[in-house]
Amino acid sequence: DTAVSQTPKYLVTQMGNDKSIKCEQNLGHDTMYWYKQDSKKFLKIMFSYNNKELIINETVPNRFSPKSPDKAHLNLHINSLELGDSAVYFCASSHQGKSYEQYFGPGTRLTVT
Amino acid sequence: GQNIDQPTEMTATEGAIVQINCTYQTSGFNGLFWYQQHAGEAPTFLSYNVLDGLEEKGRFSSFLSRSKGYSYLLLKELQMKDSASYLCAVSAYGNNRLAFGKGNQVVVIP
Repeated sequence: DTAVSQTPKYLVTQMGNDKSIKCEQNLGHDTMYWYKQDSKKFLKIMFSYNNKELIINETVPNRFSPKSPDKAHLNLHINSLELGDSAVYFCASSHQGKSYEQYFGPGTRLTVT
Repeated sequence: GQNIDQPTEMTATEGAIVQINCTYQTSGFNGLFWYQQHAGEAPTFLSYNVLDGLEEKGRFSSFLSRSKGYSYLLLKELQMKDSASYLCAVSAYGNNRLAFGKGNQVVVIP
């Protein structure tokens, strides 16, 4: 029944490691997003894919690489993790043309030590 | 670019009415949206305004003035479960991007 799911929910890792977060939606949406929400609760767009194609790529370090194997999945791989990467990462999806109504996943709380 | 400004926190009593303001600056305005986020949870869509005026949805109403770059979310008959952060977001023409404000934390007390 889950609409947008993310794994893992919590991720604790050391600086310099590489990690991935996975996202899947079963809503039949064609657009998916990655957001970062920092400790000040500021929610900021990172990437957006439409039908597996990258359409938004904000100013994000190239250590972050999204991958969309199909339109129901959007994964986020992060290389050489840094302390400042600690945040909650939300995946979201929407229909193209209805980007205002986005459905968010439960979030992945990443802690880099 | 887009700038969105929201006050940070307010406390209100159960049963009361609270108004949360949002001012924005953007080129090619294509809509203003409100999301609710409970602590430790994902944001959920509440409402959107594209034209000036008031949109009512049960206990929640949202108002937009495009000429003033201003919106508010009105929460009526406050309930304890309304304690959450309320995020204002704007969209511009030609992209799927939603730019979020920092959110306004509403704390409802008995």
